[in-house]
Amino acid sequence: GEDVEQSLFLSVREGDSSVINCTYTDSSSTYLYWYKQEPGAGLQLLTYIFSNMDMKQDQRLTVLLNKKDKHLSLRIADTQTGDSAIYFCAESMQGGGNKLTFGTGTQLKVEL
Amino acid sequence: EAGVVQSPRYKIIEKKQPVAFWCNPISGHNTLYWYLQNLGQGPELLIRYENEEAVDDSQLPKDRFSAERLKGVDSTLKIQPAELGDSAVYLCASSLRGRDEQFFGPGTRLTVL
Repeated sequence: GEDVEQSLFLSVREGDSSVINCTYTDSSSTYLYWYKQEPGAGLQLLTYIFSNMDMKQDQRLTVLLNKKDKHLSLRIADTQTGDSAIYFCAESMQGGGNKLTFGTGTQLKVEL
Repeated sequence: EAGVVQSPRYKIIEKKQPVAFWCNPISGHNTLYWYLQNLGQGPELLIRYENEEAVDDSQLPKDRFSAERLKGVDSTLKIQPAELGDSAVYLCASSLRGRDEQFFGPGTRLTVL
């Protein structure tokens, strides 16, 4: 079955790096995603990685994928107060807009 | 370009009453999704449409929930009758067929009293 797990809460100081972790159980996942949800808003896609990659960098965001351990992480460099939100990882079994299975979300709090 | 539009943003009803949510996807997006998000949880797919066809409704509780996308554009999700446990945020998303990025609306927060 599909199960995506995340730690519930992370607190960092402004300017530090944040690392949000995610584990998944389905080895047939083809795409893994990171979404950001601000209070009262829908989910915004931040980045995604194809399962045959082990790293992807996009400006302040770095995604690392360890397929052997089924572990995904999102690193945010130089974390800002505007990064405070809930971050969800999600997996899909196939590309092309198929079903996403989301984790429970990690609430990131950025302190001054 | 307008994003995914949902209405209402908030709805408070008493249990056993009916309720309906509306979603207008991004223009040109063939695929439309309805998700349920309980407090402190990630979204869970209720139903996925390709144009006007529901291609995955396996998670939709069909005894009380129904959905339609008659012309393959906007969609309505209905609950009748609502129960206390239906209190949640109902999210709509859309995507282009063959593309993985799903664009989410702001959601409708339902409170059942």
